[in-house]
Amino acid sequence: DTGVSQDPRHKITKRGQNVTFRCDPISEHNRLYWYRQTLGQGPEFLTYFQNEAQLEKSRLLSDRFSAERPKGSFSTLEIQRTEQGDSAMYLCASSVQGDEQYFGPGTRLTVT
Amino acid sequence: QQQVKQSPQSLIVQKGGISIINCAYENTAFDYFPWYQQFPGKGPALLIAIRPDVSEKKEGRFTISFNKSAKQFSLHIMDSQPGDSATYFCAASREGANNLFFGTGTRLTVIP
Repeated sequence: DTGVSQDPRHKITKRGQNVTFRCDPISEHNRLYWYRQTLGQGPEFLTYFQNEAQLEKSRLLSDRFSAERPKGSFSTLEIQRTEQGDSAMYLCASSVQGDEQYFGPGTRLTVT
Repeated sequence: QQQVKQSPQSLIVQKGGISIINCAYENTAFDYFPWYQQFPGKGPALLIAIRPDVSEKKEGRFTISFNKSAKQFSLHIMDSQPGDSATYFCAASREGANNLFFGTGTRLTVIP
């Protein structure tokens, strides 16, 4: 499968714990995006990388969130001191240039 | 503030019928309008997209109609099939921007 992959697919954690998600974009896609989707809503933009540079961050991305793309390939999204409000589907997307963003299957986070 | 407004929230169509989902936007800087299809537990899949220089785009059973003056666009699914049952999201972005603004989604059910 040459699509966007995300790991893990599901994560259950206790409030206050740290979690890290991984995204592997489509090969040769230099742009990578993170979105968050809550139940019954459309995805909301969190952050964007072009190669290894993080070029844009939404105000939704609080100080407890950090994202990296160290070698311009895979990316990680870490949430520190998780809160119940962080429960959501975290989606990763990638693109070559322009607008066509292809999404991965998402990581569903449940904070108890 | 919802940048893209989508209706209806849910839609039930008979097999073979036409499904129509509508979206409206305010930001005249938007110049890319994709539609995504999402099945439960999966990430959104890019279905079809349009730019404002054309009023209609057709791919198979899926057609986007675009009305620039009204700032509205719609998705038409011809000959709807039970396999089309999913949630559909419209989205929009500005030239040079990196984030998509999504509508709130339409849950389509096609009954046999």
